[in-house]
Amino acid sequence: GAVVSQHPSRVICKSGTSVKIECRSLDFQATTMFWYRQFPKKSLMLMATSNEGSKATYEQGVEKDKFLINHASLTLSTLTVTSAHPEDSSFYICSARRLAGFTDTQYFGPGTRLTVL
Amino acid sequence: AQSVSQHNHHVILSEAASLELGCNYSYGGTVNLFWYVQYPGQHLQLLLKYFSGDPLVKGIKGFEAEFIKSKFSFNLRKPSVQWSDTAEYFCAVNARSNYQLIWGAGTKLIIKP
Repeated sequence: GAVVSQHPSRVICKSGTSVKIECRSLDFQATTMFWYRQFPKKSLMLMATSNEGSKATYEQGVEKDKFLINHASLTLSTLTVTSAHPEDSSFYICSARRLAGFTDTQYFGPGTRLTVL
Repeated sequence: AQSVSQHNHHVILSEAASLELGCNYSYGGTVNLFWYVQYPGQHLQLLLKYFSGDPLVKGIKGFEAEFIKSKFSFNLRKPSVQWSDTAEYFCAVNARSNYQLIWGAGTKLIIKP
C-alpha cells in the first residue's frame, strides 16, 4: 500500500507556456500533499504544502503566482508551473501524507522532470 | 531551527562490508525519524521510520536504525551490503507538532562488486 503516482514523468515545453503536473495517492486518502524540487547533487527543497479544500502554504521564496497548487480531492493535487522559463527546469516531486493510527508518514511520487526550452 | 546533518556525502564500500550512515538532528522536542532511499533512476522510497517504542527499528532489505535520544542520532546500519544497495540515502525528521520533514543532504552509497 501507500502508492503515489505523478503524471507526466517527463515534460518538455517552450518558454512562456504552462505545465500541469498531477500527483495522486492511489490507495489512501491524503488531506496533505507536499511539492518539492530536487536540484542536482542537493537535497529536496520543499516548495509548498497542499491542503485539501484550502489554499496551499508556500515556503519562503517560492512564488505562489508562478507555482499554482490545487488540491481538489483527497487523492489529487496538481502543480501548475505558469509561464515557465528555463530556470524552472528541474525535477519536481510530490509526496502524500498518510496518517495511520499513531504514525504519520510521507510517501513519494516518482517525480516529474521538467525541461523548459 | 531544526536541522538534520548526515556526516558523509559519499561512501564507497565493497560487497559484504558493514555499513553505518550517520544522521544527527537538532530539535529539543519529540520527533519522528525517517530514512528514505533513492535507487538510481527511481523515486524516493521509505526505508524505515521511528515514532516510538523500541529505539532499534528494522526496515526493508535488511536495514536497521537506532534512535539514541541522548545523542540526537538516528544512524542507519546494515551488517552486510550488496551491490544492489547502491543508492542515495536521506535522513529526515519531523517534529510531532509539525508534520513537515526536515531533510539531511543525503549520502551517496556506492557498493563495489
